[in-house]
Amino acid sequence: DTGVSQDPRHKITKRGQNVTFRCDPISEHNRLYWYRQTLGQGPEFLTYFQNEAQLEKSRLLSDRFSAERPKGSFSTLEIQRTEQGDSAMYLCASSTIAGGLYNEQFFGPGTRLTVL
Amino acid sequence: GQQVMQIPQYQHVQEGEDFTTYCNSSTTLSNIQWYKQRPGGHPVFLIQLVKSGEVKKQKRLTFQFGEAKKNSSLHITATQTTDVGTYFCAKGGNYQLIWGAGTKLIIKP
Repeated sequence: DTGVSQDPRHKITKRGQNVTFRCDPISEHNRLYWYRQTLGQGPEFLTYFQNEAQLEKSRLLSDRFSAERPKGSFSTLEIQRTEQGDSAMYLCASSTIAGGLYNEQFFGPGTRLTVL
Repeated sequence: GQQVMQIPQYQHVQEGEDFTTYCNSSTTLSNIQWYKQRPGGHPVFLIQLVKSGEVKKQKRLTFQFGEAKKNSSLHITATQTTDVGTYFCAKGGNYQLIWGAGTKLIIKP
């Protein structure tokens, strides 16, 4: 399978716990994005990597959220001290650099987080 | 702000009827992308528009970009059950896409 994969697909945690999600993009894609999506809304941008460099991070993102892409391949998104408001679907997407800034983004299946 | 307004939020149609969703911005858009998200699925890219007045077709789907590059529309002719899902427009921001809230296409039983 050469698509974007995410792990786990579902995560249930208690408020205050830390969680970490993983995204494996399409192998030749330099760009990687994290989004959050709640019911009835479009994806909300969280952060963007080009190779291993984190080039943009949403101002809406609290300090409890951190993301890494250490070797420019897979990425992790960590949420510390989870809150009930963090419950959402966390989507990862990847795209190529060739052709311009706004290329087609390929999405993974998402990780659904439920904070109790 | 940078918001993209998308209307309507829902559209109920009989199978075979047409469907249209509209995307509006207060600022000029450099580009607009359209995605489809099936129930329980993830967004899937449909098309990107970049030129003023551009019209692109994919079978029963017609995409338009306004002359002033401040609005876009997606029209589906003769809807089928396979068209069910939420259709999102998204515009390019600094490095990322800024998404509308989507229009959910519902086929009446």
